[in-house]
Amino acid sequence: SQKIEQNSEALNIQEGKTATLTCNYTNYSPAYLQWYRQDPGRGPVFLLLIRENEKEKRKERLKVTFDTTLKQSLFHITASQPADSATYLCALVGTGNAGNMLTFGGGTRLMVKP
Amino acid sequence: SQTIHQWPATLVQPVGSPLSLECTVEGTSNPNLYWYRQAAGRGLQLLFYSVGIGQISSEVPQNLSASRPQDRQFILSSKKLLLSDSGFYLCAWQNYGYTFGSGTRLTVV
Repeated sequence: SQKIEQNSEALNIQEGKTATLTCNYTNYSPAYLQWYRQDPGRGPVFLLLIRENEKEKRKERLKVTFDTTLKQSLFHITASQPADSATYLCALVGTGNAGNMLTFGGGTRLMVKP
Repeated sequence: SQTIHQWPATLVQPVGSPLSLECTVEGTSNPNLYWYRQAAGRGLQLLFYSVGIGQISSEVPQNLSASRPQDRQFILSSKKLLLSDSGFYLCAWQNYGYTFGSGTRLTVV
């Protein structure tokens, strides 16, 4: 069966350090992978999309890697700040007929301490 | 600019009562629209998607239904709510990434 796995345990890091979150998937052959940020009681907010032929993508302090051989994406936040504290979700295009329908991982909660 | 509106923000309903949640999108035409549910501490579960007016596909058999009466309107409904319908309901439309509405917190009591 298809699975998208993110570490369900919260990641606690000190302000200024680099946070690294992991997304592993099985039985998918995604054309691209997306990362979202979700704050409590709010809808997810799109952050980055990386395509299967891209190894790495950056946006300001964010960096995403995509290894289709390992079936893994890493999400990095450099120089982390307390405001980066949130739950981060990865998402893949799943099977189905609705075009680019996304399936989400369970998310990893990041806590950045001052 | 494109925006997505979802209401109400919170809702407390008794078991057996009906439900209607509405989602509208502005600034785009013929969007792909989605309803997701997020149970407490859980991931997002896709409930329904629609690629056009009157076109609804269900991903999970359940007590809910969806309709798309207009191009930019997507409605989630139930005739009789169950306790298990409680959760955080999110509407989304697909652009480059997905843009989500602000969500409806539904508590069935």
